[in-house]
Amino acid sequence: EAGVTQSPTHLIKTRGQQATLRCSPISGHTSVYWYQQALGLGLQFLLWYDEGEERNRGNFPPRFSGRQFPNYSSELNVNALELEDSALYLCASPGLSFSEQYFGPGTRLTVT
Amino acid sequence: SQQGEEDPQALSIQEGENATMNCSYKTSINNLQWYRQNSGRGLVHLILIRSNEREKHSGRLRVTLDTSKKSSSLLITASRAADTASYFCATDGGSSYKLIFGSGTRLLVRP
Repeated sequence: EAGVTQSPTHLIKTRGQQATLRCSPISGHTSVYWYQQALGLGLQFLLWYDEGEERNRGNFPPRFSGRQFPNYSSELNVNALELEDSALYLCASPGLSFSEQYFGPGTRLTVT
Repeated sequence: SQQGEEDPQALSIQEGENATMNCSYKTSINNLQWYRQNSGRGLVHLILIRSNEREKHSGRLRVTLDTSKKSSSLLITASRAADTASYFCATDGGSSYKLIFGSGTRLLVRP
């Protein structure tokens, strides 16, 4: 069973541009969680998608958005990039008990 | 903002020694989990302890939970250089959808 996959591994963008990050959950799992790990701010919950719908979002501005496709893979879009958006973005799938979350390797976004 | 605080922020030990990390949290929880992160990569799930459990073991890992003090500890016994990583505790904050992470402990195991 494949784990959570994310692409790209690294992404470099300039301020004002848009970034698109992708995630595929564990096969057969319908939920995807997105987290941001920025330097000095720690790991923060961003978004939760389940069955194609956004179920909840953390304390982030609307320029952070995403979607979930029928195959349950997900995209995270960050519009009007700011320097402070530079971070590691992690995607996670819940375990069978829905208590654990299993993380992908992350996408490191650098905004210059 | 982060719910949890972990201490110490950094820990340096010799291979073979035990490492203990502590985590405190603020709200009621259903469970608490510990994760490891190597060099800014993805998180590896280590162990989950439920709110009605006081202690749990997995290999060289021992986790305790004191819900009255809202605190947990992770003990790694007989540490190895490969245990060098950052360790995070995470709680569900009583919800069913998101994890709230502590600030992490950076562990260095010297060979």
